[in-house]
Amino acid sequence: QSVLTQPPSASGTPGQRVTISCSGGSSNIGSNTVNWYQRLPGTAPKLLIYTNNQRPSGVPDRFSGSKSGTSASLAIRGLQSEDEADYYCAAWDDSLNVVLFGGGTKVTVL
Amino acid sequence: EVQLVESGGGLVQPGRSLRLSCAASGFTFDDYAMHWVRQAPGQGLEWVSGITWDSGRKAYADSVKGRFTISRDNAKNSLYLQMNSLRAEDTALYYCARDLEQLLTYFFAFWGQGTLVTVSS
Repeated sequence: QSVLTQPPSASGTPGQRVTISCSGGSSNIGSNTVNWYQRLPGTAPKLLIYTNNQRPSGVPDRFSGSKSGTSASLAIRGLQSEDEADYYCAAWDDSLNVVLFGGGTKVTVL
Repeated sequence: EVQLVESGGGLVQPGRSLRLSCAASGFTFDDYAMHWVRQAPGQGLEWVSGITWDSGRKAYADSVKGRFTISRDNAKNSLYLQMNSLRAEDTALYYCARDLEQLLTYFFAFWGQGTLVTVSS
């Protein structure tokens, strides 16, 4: 069981907005930045969002991240079929001295 | 284009050893710290180990400390993970990942496709 908690699944129809939550605590999300990773089926994971809300070059602006207190969220605006993937949040934990990942959320486009 | 290609996985008995390799290309290898991250079947991602650009600092997850050793050869653009005293719970897909900079930021900017390690008798 992961210290960072994500819903196991989320879904939406094309064009909809989908939000994925990542809940942690004061020693991780509460005091450090959050990154998000996307793993498309059969491919290597990819850095999607870093430092809470920054997009690496090449990531569409349909993807956005936010953080408030001990929780973070990833939003996908204008959902597309190619967004079907597993999404993971990650944050450093000051108490455990390790980077933690969420359990992952599988996004399905209906 | 950044490419990370892992190799060396396979089926191994509990208590035995295995050495994973990661061949890097498409970037200046010794400009970046590197990591190993794994995913056990049906589980989430778990960071395993990281190493700075000059091998000056190595970090390990508690679950592998004392059994796994990370190393790199900048002349060969390669990252390694020596895994000793393997346990069933080490069964996972092992990913090689590149950091954002020379030191350990734990931002995994690029990932390989992974190599599967199965520990079973």
